[in-house]
Amino acid sequence: EDQVTQSPEALRLQEGESSSLNCSYTVSGLRGLFWYRQDPGKGPEFLFTLYSAGEEKEKERLKATLTKKESFLHITAPKPEDSATYLCAVQAQNSGYALNFGKGTSLLVTP
Amino acid sequence: GAGVSQSPRYKVTKRGQDVALRCDPISGHVSLYWYRQALGQGPEFLTYFNYEAQQDKSGLPNDRFSAERPEGSISTLTIQRTEQRDSAMYRCASSSTSYEQYFGPGTRLTVT
Repeated sequence: EDQVTQSPEALRLQEGESSSLNCSYTVSGLRGLFWYRQDPGKGPEFLFTLYSAGEEKEKERLKATLTKKESFLHITAPKPEDSATYLCAVQAQNSGYALNFGKGTSLLVTP
Repeated sequence: GAGVSQSPRYKVTKRGQDVALRCDPISGHVSLYWYRQALGQGPEFLTYFNYEAQQDKSGLPNDRFSAERPEGSISTLTIQRTEQRDSAMYRCASSSTSYEQYFGPGTRLTVT
């Protein structure tokens, strides 16, 4: 059975303090790994898709990386507006196009 | 451009009543997905359409839940004989030929 585990559950950073969020997964044939950002009361907002081990993608202060077992979302010099819940999801080759989400990491960046 | 829209945004219903939740996808998106999200959890897959065809309904919890997309655009998720355990945020997403799914704001369903 496909599984997605995100850690830590919650993370508090000072503005400018870089860190990484982890997403460990087990899936029988990965089609893609997705990162989303979710603000309170809003729907998940698409950030990145990674398809194969070794792939990296960047957007502003965020960089996502992928290995065969896990993905990291690196946040460089975060700002308070980066505070949100970050969700990781996998899409398996034998499960149609359904996304299997982890529980998310709640990030708080303080000034 | 306009994103995914859902209506109503909030729905309160009494146990045993039927409810219909509507999703209007991004224009031109051929695929449409329904998810359910509990507080503090990631979205949980319910069902998926490609154009008007329901391709996967493996996530629907039981036969009280059904969905349709008759013209390949707007979709309706119907829950019959609602129960308190059905209370949750119901989210719709759509995608084009790429794999990225774009989510709507959700419908908060409360069954009293």
